[in-house]
Amino acid sequence: SAVISQKPSRDICQRGTSLTIQCQVDSQVTMMFWYRQQPGQSLTLIATANQGSEATYESGFVIDKFPISRPNLTFSTLTVSNMSPEDSSIYLCSVELRQETQYFGPGTRLLVL
Amino acid sequence: DAKTTQPPSMDCAEGRAANLPCNHSTISGNEYVYWYRQIHSQGPQYIIHGLKNNETNEMASLIITEDRKSSTLILPHATLRDTAVYYCIVRVDFVNEKLTFGTGTRLTIIP
Repeated sequence: SAVISQKPSRDICQRGTSLTIQCQVDSQVTMMFWYRQQPGQSLTLIATANQGSEATYESGFVIDKFPISRPNLTFSTLTVSNMSPEDSSIYLCSVELRQETQYFGPGTRLLVL
Repeated sequence: DAKTTQPPSMDCAEGRAANLPCNHSTISGNEYVYWYRQIHSQGPQYIIHGLKNNETNEMASLIITEDRKSSTLILPHATLRDTAVYYCIVRVDFVNEKLTFGTGTRLTIIP
């Protein structure tokens, strides 16, 4: 399995500010996924990030709000911009290391006041 | 992707087998059945997946009906650490295809 780390593990932010979440993998992977899990809810895919190209966003998520970078095959960042309390969630990255199996990072717990 | 239906919650006594059902009546021929679990808001953990044959690994067994419209995840000897939300997901067999999570089953292991 892959070793996936995320930074920060948690944060408390003021509304109107932005937070950048980092995801680091110990292996080279083609695609990285970013999910959001709102309190008491299931996971929802935000976007998929392929190295060298723009991320592909799911319905309801836009690049201006959740810009993503993918500078190399082991790293990605997700920025939550102009935050509001509704952005309070757990943000998770995942990778598909070998065919058909995705592995998830530990998540970043965000609270927006 | 086909949708899945799972009971919202289940209890199981410690040491007994936990059997978690999942209905996926609209599954397509090229869609696999995956199971993940999430322990107390940690990142989801892959458990097992299969296409049409029964599968077993060190964590669990997956039983898929012959018509593939339903499946059961079996944890043979449940422990307190198996308390988690279990997600049944169907996904096409393409590399890097996304996972679509439903609401899952909250399994509570009772001492």
